[in-house]
Formats: sequence, C-alpha cells, structure tokens
Amino acid sequence: DSGVTQTPKHLITATGQRVTLRCSPRSGDLSVYWYQQSLDQGLQFLIQYYNGEERAKGNILERFSAQQFPDLHSELNLSSLELGDSALYFCASSVAPSRGGDNEQFFGPGTRLTVL
Amino acid sequence: LAKTTQPISMDSYEGQEVNITCSHNNIATNDYITWYQQFPSQGPRFIIQGYKTKVTNEVASLFIPADRKSSTLSLPRVSLSDTAVYYCLVGDTNAGKSTFGDGTTLTVKP
Repeated sequence: DSGVTQTPKHLITATGQRVTLRCSPRSGDLSVYWYQQSLDQGLQFLIQYYNGEERAKGNILERFSAQQFPDLHSELNLSSLELGDSALYFCASSVAPSRGGDNEQFFGPGTRLTVL
Repeated sequence: LAKTTQPISMDSYEGQEVNITCSHNNIATNDYITWYQQFPSQGPRFIIQGYKTKVTNEVASLFIPADRKSSTLSLPRVSLSDTAVYYCLVGDTNAGKSTFGDGTTLTVKP
C-alpha cells in the first residue's frame, strides 16, 4: 500500500459525458502527478501540481483539467469523453522538493475508466 | 525533456542476472535517473535511483557511466515474480519535469 488513494476504482460512462477522478496523496506529500495509461501502453504524464499550484504540464488534452485543493487532494476532470479516453488513470505523489536527488513518486492503485 | 529509449521486451530464466539498459542522450545536468517496476493493473513502484556511477540497494543495482547518456538496471538472480514492466524515468521533478520511457517487459521463465 503506497498510501495514495484514488476513487473510484472503476468508472463506466458514455461518450460525451464528464467525469471526475479523485486522488488523495500520502500524508505530508505536496506534489501530485496524474498519468494516463492506455491498454498495453506506457505511462503518459498529464500534469503535476505542487502545493496547489500547477508545476508542469505534459500531454494533457484541452478537454481535461485538474486542480489541487488546499487539503492537497487533487481531482482530474475529463469532459466530452471519447472512446479513446478509456484507460487507467494513475495519481502519484511525492514529498516537497529536496536539495539532492529526485523525488520518489508513490503511485495510487489507479482508476480504470471505460467509455462506451 | 530528456527522451529515453529502452528495449521493448526481454526474456530471462529464474536465477539469472538481468540487465536492462536505458538510453537518455540529452540528459540534463540536474536530471536524476529512476527506475520503476509495474505489475499488470497496478501503479508503478520505485526500485532505485541514481545520478552517477553505481548505486545498489536490496533489490537492484544501477550503473551509470561517466557521460550519463545511458543507465543499466541490474536485477540479480531473478525469480518468476520479477516478471513485470520496468520503466526508466529521467528528469528533475523538483523542476517539474520528468519523462517515463516506454518500458521494458521482462518475462522470467522457469
């Protein structure tokens, strides 16, 4: 158990709909990352937040948005869903930036989104 | 962002040592190299991290040459349970940038 929680575990919806995925980071972690993993594909970095502020943006579609709240939990909003958005969505968290070394990311169990 | 290249797949047998190499030719000065392991339908899990030379922990070793343009993850005496996808991650999350490679699917056979 990484200490990162994601809800829901599974989500089935229809094309054109909007969904919200939720992530609670490990206690004390200030950074939250979102990744998309389609079937048999690698991890695609979407976006990173640090202490409520957007830190880095990856291959995130304009139909997707995210935010990190004051209590540090994060939500990923996916709108106008398409069949191709079906994937596993992972959230990860890491501690505050340190002087040396990159920050180990702790991944949640993921949310499996199925768009029909 | 540093682009990484890994072999798509590798096969091995139980008890053997496995070496997986990741190429990252345009690695930046502040970038670290981190390896993650992922089992099907689970989130990736940290294995090891390094900046230069050699790093060893209880599960793996990481070899990084002086030019840092590649790195090799070494798994000693693999078992069936080491069958997984291994990702190389190069970057500096402190600066808000990091890139996962496409991953290497390791299959360990009895």
